[in-house]
Amino acid sequence: KQEVTQIPAALSVPEGENLVLNCSFTDSAIYNLQWFRQDPGKGLTSLLLIQSSQREQTSGRLNASLDKSSGRSTLYIAASQPGDSATYLCASYSGNTPLVFGKGTRLSVIA
Amino acid sequence: DAGVTQSPTHLIKTRGQQVTLRCSPKSGHDTVSWYQQALGQGPQFIFQYYEEEERQRGNFPDRFSGHQFPNYSSELNVNALLLGDSALYLCASSLVQGGEAFFGQGTRLTVV
Repeated sequence: KQEVTQIPAALSVPEGENLVLNCSFTDSAIYNLQWFRQDPGKGLTSLLLIQSSQREQTSGRLNASLDKSSGRSTLYIAASQPGDSATYLCASYSGNTPLVFGKGTRLSVIA
Repeated sequence: DAGVTQSPTHLIKTRGQQVTLRCSPKSGHDTVSWYQQALGQGPQFIFQYYEEEERQRGNFPDRFSGHQFPNYSSELNVNALLLGDSALYLCASSLVQGGEAFFGQGTRLTVV
């Protein structure tokens, strides 16, 4: 059974700092991994989807990497802004299974 | 494209009552999944519908049931509500199973 863990659970950084959010998964036989952003009380916004054959994906200031062999993915946020404050969730898809989510990392960017 | 839309946004129900939540998937998406998210937790999979059939189901009791209509929209029904059913209910759609999932804004259910 796939288990997804996100560390740290919460993170507070000053504006402008580059930061890395971590996601680990127990079953390396994944088809893809997706990163989401969630604002308080709201739904999930898809940020990046990495297919199992890919090593990384980039969108603007965001870069997500995937290392299946080690069971890890990272989300890199460059030049953080207060508007980046939210909870970031990663979820893995392993084929014929639903998305399995971590509990998320709550990010606060302080102006 | 309006994306995934859910209704209602919020509702309050009494223990023992029944509730129906609705979801319209992103245009062209035929696969709809429902998730329950408790405060401070990641979303937990309830079930997935494709071609009007339940394709997969998570570890939820039979009080949770669903339906998918020919236009791919979907309903989640919960019977005999318990206080523990209070949560944010999320609907997601995808073009294919395992494809990029798009989520709605959620329905906040409070059971009192």
